[in-house]
Amino acid sequence: SQTIHQWPATLVQPVGSPLSLECTVEGTSNPNLYWYRQAAGRGLQLLFYSVGIGQISSEVPQNLSASRPQDRQFILSSKKLLLSDSGFYLCAWGRRSGSTDTQYFGPGTRLTVL
Amino acid sequence: AQTVTQSQPEMSVQEAETVTLSCTYDTSESDYYLFWYKQPPSRQMILVIRQEAYKQQNATENRFSVNFQKAAKSFSLKISDSQLGDAAMYFCAYRSPELTTDSWGKLQFGAGTQVVVTP
Repeated sequence: SQTIHQWPATLVQPVGSPLSLECTVEGTSNPNLYWYRQAAGRGLQLLFYSVGIGQISSEVPQNLSASRPQDRQFILSSKKLLLSDSGFYLCAWGRRSGSTDTQYFGPGTRLTVL
Repeated sequence: AQTVTQSQPEMSVQEAETVTLSCTYDTSESDYYLFWYKQPPSRQMILVIRQEAYKQQNATENRFSVNFQKAAKSFSLKISDSQLGDAAMYFCAYRSPELTTDSWGKLQFGAGTQVVVTP
């Protein structure tokens, strides 16, 4: 069976510090990978998605970047965090083939920028 | 761009009763996919049910069922025999068909409906 991991689970960072959140998927190959952000009390906003190694598409211009160094690894980064980067970050994966391509989510990372 | 609207910020239901959550969406596409996700206090997103637009039959998963009205662009979720464990935020989501690799699998979410279950 497939599993998706995210770490860290919780992170508190000062404004201006760098960020690195990691997401890995097990039990599947060639997945589509996604990063979403959820602000407090709101829905999910797609930040980045990737259909393969080194292939990153950005949905919203922002202070963040993403990379996919390996097939099942997706990293969300920032060089200098802003207060507005606080939120709950969710990674998701989906099968590249097949019509349903349901997205399955990781446990998330709660980021607080002070 | 597609939009998904959930007009009910919160719904309350007693245990063993039924509650219906509404979702409407705006699209010009004829083929697409719709999902309901549940987010409990742990905040992990859990798939509840999914529906392919080309299928007329409404999807069901145990106590969860949908009423899919394609012409009205409506996709409501019914939770029957509600249980305390059903208390969560529920999100409706839309996915475009796989036309290009640029649009592959992106989900558009509604704002969510908080379901409160009372004993």
